[in-house]
Amino acid sequence: DVKVTQSSRYLVKRTGEKVFLECVQDMDHENMFWYRQDPGLGLRLIYFSYDVKMKEKGDIPEGYSVSREKKERFSLILESASTNQTSMYLCASSLKFGELFFGEGSRLTVL
Amino acid sequence: QKEVEQNSGPLSVPEGAIASLNCTYSDRGSQSFFWYRQYSGKSPELIMFIYSNGDKEDGRFTAQLNKASQYVSLLIRDSQPSDSATYLCAPFGSYQLIWGAGTKLIIKP
Repeated sequence: DVKVTQSSRYLVKRTGEKVFLECVQDMDHENMFWYRQDPGLGLRLIYFSYDVKMKEKGDIPEGYSVSREKKERFSLILESASTNQTSMYLCASSLKFGELFFGEGSRLTVL
Repeated sequence: QKEVEQNSGPLSVPEGAIASLNCTYSDRGSQSFFWYRQYSGKSPELIMFIYSNGDKEDGRFTAQLNKASQYVSLLIRDSQPSDSATYLCAPFGSYQLIWGAGTKLIIKP
């Protein structure tokens, strides 16, 4: 079974803090994604990566950056957390387009 | 703006009946269509995908696609309480999935 592991299930941070969300997959997938999910808004793509050291902006990249130094690891960085970044963050990986495997999610609260 | 429309629900269906979940999309370039299920407090999981017009069956699930009408649906036969979840429709656009907000389905015993 594909396993996508997100480092933290729940985080509470203060405004202005730098936040790191880590994601690791164990199935040698080329593609990795970061989404945020908010009630009524569905899944919104923040960043994605089709290869090591490669990154592409999704629909809502503002306030976020990513790092992919190794194939299995894709990190999301909030340089200076703000209250409007309080959300559920979902990491996913895929081998085939559209067939995503999600991690359990990281619920971030910014105070 | 590429959009995916789903009735947010909740859609309440008696146990054993057929649940019908509908989705319309605006991007005519979409060629493949995915249905994900998301239980409350959990992450989405892929349950079906369809590429061609018509029906595709997988166990109790049937996906239906009509590209001319830009309409895709998911039927769940013999609905079970364990089918209670939010169902997300996601056409694959030019380079990424375009997500609907989901339909909440409740199966009543």
